[in-house]
Amino acid sequence: KAGVTQTPRYLIKTRGQQVTLSCSPISGHRSVSWYQQTPGQGLQFLFEYFSETQRNKGNFPGRFSGRQFSNSRSEMNVSTLELGDSALYLCASSLTTGKTQYFGPGTRLLVL
Amino acid sequence: GQQLNQSPQSMFIQEGEDVSMNCTSSSIFNTWLWYKQDPGEGPVLLIALYKAGELTSNGRLTAQFGITRKDSFLNISASIPSDVGIYFCAGHLQMDSNYQLIWGAGTKLIIKP
Repeated sequence: KAGVTQTPRYLIKTRGQQVTLSCSPISGHRSVSWYQQTPGQGLQFLFEYFSETQRNKGNFPGRFSGRQFSNSRSEMNVSTLELGDSALYLCASSLTTGKTQYFGPGTRLLVL
Repeated sequence: GQQLNQSPQSMFIQEGEDVSMNCTSSSIFNTWLWYKQDPGEGPVLLIALYKAGELTSNGRLTAQFGITRKDSFLNISASIPSDVGIYFCAGHLQMDSNYQLIWGAGTKLIIKP
């Protein structure tokens, strides 16, 4: 089975721009979670989607949004980028909510 | 919010030494998970624990689900250079009808030359 895939792997943007990141879960997995990780920091939970519905949400501003499609693929969007948004964005999939999560390789975003 | 206290924050060890790290909480967890993250990569699942008291091994790694369901430990025996990385614990907490995955802050393992 293919693992979780994330595109793009690397991205450079400038302040004020917006960005969309994509995640394809493991086949058969219906839950997708997103995390932000800044250098030397742990995993900060952004949100979780299941069956195209947001099930859980972390403590991030409204500039961070996401969605899930009927094939369980998910996208997250960050609008009006700030320098502090530079981070590794990780996507994890699981069979359903509350089950073991498997991570993709991440998208490294640099905001200049 | 809910927190997992993971310790130690970092460890400097010699190759060949055994390593022990743990996570504790004041809340009761339904599962405990241990992940390892290499620089610039996503965390990789090492061991998943589903039952209080469960002791599970994966090669040189051994993890236990505490009997009180409030803690877990991970041991690595005879460390080797490729063990270097950040180890995260995570646990599923039931909140109303939802399960929330709570993460520890990570233990950075460094092997002294």
